[in-house]
Amino acid sequence: SAVISQKPSRDICQRGTSLTIQCQVDSQVTMMFWYRQQPGQSLTLIATANQGSEATYESGFVIDKFPISRPNLTFSTLTVSNMSPEDSSIYLCSVASDTFYEQYFGPGTRLTVT
Amino acid sequence: KQEVTQIPAALSVPEGENLVLNCSFTDSAIYNLQWFRQDPGKGLTSLLLIQSSQREQTSGRLNASLDKSSGRSTLYIAASQPGDSATYLCAVRTHNYGQNFVFGPGTRLSVLP
Repeated sequence: SAVISQKPSRDICQRGTSLTIQCQVDSQVTMMFWYRQQPGQSLTLIATANQGSEATYESGFVIDKFPISRPNLTFSTLTVSNMSPEDSSIYLCSVASDTFYEQYFGPGTRLTVT
Repeated sequence: KQEVTQIPAALSVPEGENLVLNCSFTDSAIYNLQWFRQDPGKGLTSLLLIQSSQREQTSGRLNASLDKSSGRSTLYIAASQPGDSATYLCAVRTHNYGQNFVFGPGTRLSVLP
């Protein structure tokens, strides 16, 4: 299994600003994912961030709004840009094991945009 | 497009009952299926992973089964306890859709003491 930490755990931000969320894993992993969970909803995949390549975004998510960095095999960041109240969600980082593709999740970042 | 549904959406049971949570998916060409629990405001905790070639997996009081041909998985919880109260989500990794994980909407379980 993998132990994943995220910073910050929560934040309250003003409309129009940006927030960068950090994800740190205790072991090297190839596959890393960023999800959004809006209030009362299930998880929606934002993008897949594999080291050494550009992030792959899902339909409805664009790089200008959610730029992602993956500088090495244990770390990634997700930035939520030009925020609006609709961006208020829990943002979750996850990794998948290379062998069986079992997913492990971080504790999440609860974002409130006012 | 792979779609995942979970029934029931919410469930309330007295402590000690055995219960079954259901997960259905539309595309049977899956790589694996994973069950998670999520406590309010928290991240997801992995419970069980079933590979496409497996029929079931067990961990303690939890047993998950997989029937690929019918597009169904069940999570069986024996002798439920108040600490089992959480939202339970299933996620499917599919060959045909970029090998991404698709999540169901979850079942919110309350176990009453």
